[in-house]
Amino acid sequence: QVQLQESGPGLVKPSGTLSLTCAVSGGSINSSNWWSWVRQPPGKGLQWIGEIYHTGSTNSNPSLKSRVTMSMDKSKNQFSLKLSSVTAADTAVYYCARRRSLGLFDPWGQGTLVTVSS
Amino acid sequence: DIQMTQSPSALSASVGDRVTITCRASQSISIYLNWYQQKPGKAPKLLIYAASSLQSGVPSRFSGSGSGTDFTLTISSLQPEDFAAYYCQQSYSTLLTFGGGTKVEIK
Repeated sequence: QVQLQESGPGLVKPSGTLSLTCAVSGGSINSSNWWSWVRQPPGKGLQWIGEIYHTGSTNSNPSLKSRVTMSMDKSKNQFSLKLSSVTAADTAVYYCARRRSLGLFDPWGQGTLVTVSS
Repeated sequence: DIQMTQSPSALSASVGDRVTITCRASQSISIYLNWYQQKPGKAPKLLIYAASSLQSGVPSRFSGSGSGTDFTLTISSLQPEDFAAYYCQQSYSTLLTFGGGTKVEIK
């Protein structure tokens, strides 16, 4: 079955850029699914960040849109997130997930904690 | 944005109890409502999609209902492994949003 795995630095300096990659196994990202990012600040709820389709189309949360860049590398079967001008408020566990028809997220990656601190 | 409001934010229950969690949307979302379970340190897991469809592999004690703006997740007989946080999520609009979560704790 499809599995997702996030990777990237666990510590980012304020005003820097957070960069994460999600490797997909057991299935192709060149399929009719949206590939999404969701984050969860420590002890808080879930926030959808954005998503990318295999055509390169993207959607993102308007509250983050000006700072979000998403891309995909079909040769490596992975997709990526960049979040610029980070502050402590961007400290969170970042998850990648496949968004299927009807808009459900399944499966999810295990998540990776990114801390913004100097 | 479509706001999703869950209630209660936390509840205490005993093994065997029937538990109901409510999710209300700020506007009609038809049946575009999904439920997730999240255990500490783990990723969310899909339980229910399209308001009432049970995800494959999820025990039948979990059920969902509702349409429009009001939805419920019911656990018919709470089991020890069900103590977790539960989140609703709407997929009606392009801006996907989650409820604030309900933490189910052991009484």
